[in-house]
Amino acid sequence: GAVVSQHPSWVICKSGTSVKIECRSLDFQATTMFWYRQFPKQSLMLMATSNEGSKATYEQGVEKDKFLINHASLTLSTLTVTSAHPEDSSFYICSARRGLGGGYTFGSGTRLTVV
Amino acid sequence: AQSVTQLDSHVSVSEGTPVLLRCNYSSSYSPSLFWYVQHPNKGLQLLLKYTSAATLVKGINGFEAEFKKSETSFHLTKPSAHMSDAAEYFCVVSRAARDDKIIFGKGTRLHILP
Repeated sequence: GAVVSQHPSWVICKSGTSVKIECRSLDFQATTMFWYRQFPKQSLMLMATSNEGSKATYEQGVEKDKFLINHASLTLSTLTVTSAHPEDSSFYICSARRGLGGGYTFGSGTRLTVV
Repeated sequence: AQSVTQLDSHVSVSEGTPVLLRCNYSSSYSPSLFWYVQHPNKGLQLLLKYTSAATLVKGINGFEAEFKKSETSFHLTKPSAHMSDAAEYFCVVSRAARDDKIIFGKGTRLHILP
């Protein structure tokens, strides 16, 4: 079945530094990848949609200069949290889709803690 | 517009008894509907999906859901709860026909009592 690998599973960083999270589709080509943020005991909030080779589409209220998304290949998308602050601490989850009408496969998530 | 409402934020059942997690949707188009499960600090796992085929959908781990257009519902059921079913469950609806975004419900925390 479709597998999405997300790395790292957890990371602790200092305020002001940047953190990169990777999302890889292991056995299929993902034309579209999605990045979500999940606060404790809440649902997933879509941050942005990225299509391979084009700029990401950000949801309203998400700072694109703070959350940099790169989808350089059909199997890899990255989310970089720039100049991280404690309020950026959260659980970030990616998902990948094979194509229009394809199913969604989720990564295992990344717990980011900014101290 | 698309939306999904999970009617219960928490559900508690005893082990071995039936599980019912309720979900209602609103959609301007024929929807695709999904149920996902999330264990603590884990990603989401697809339990089952409805995509305009059979209205009764069987998923993994003994779960099933029935699409009822007249009631705009897609409730998740399981005949007999197991301790390992304790998790967060999300009902999800696909957005507009040409849009590939999906809308999450707020989730239902399922507690299994011994």
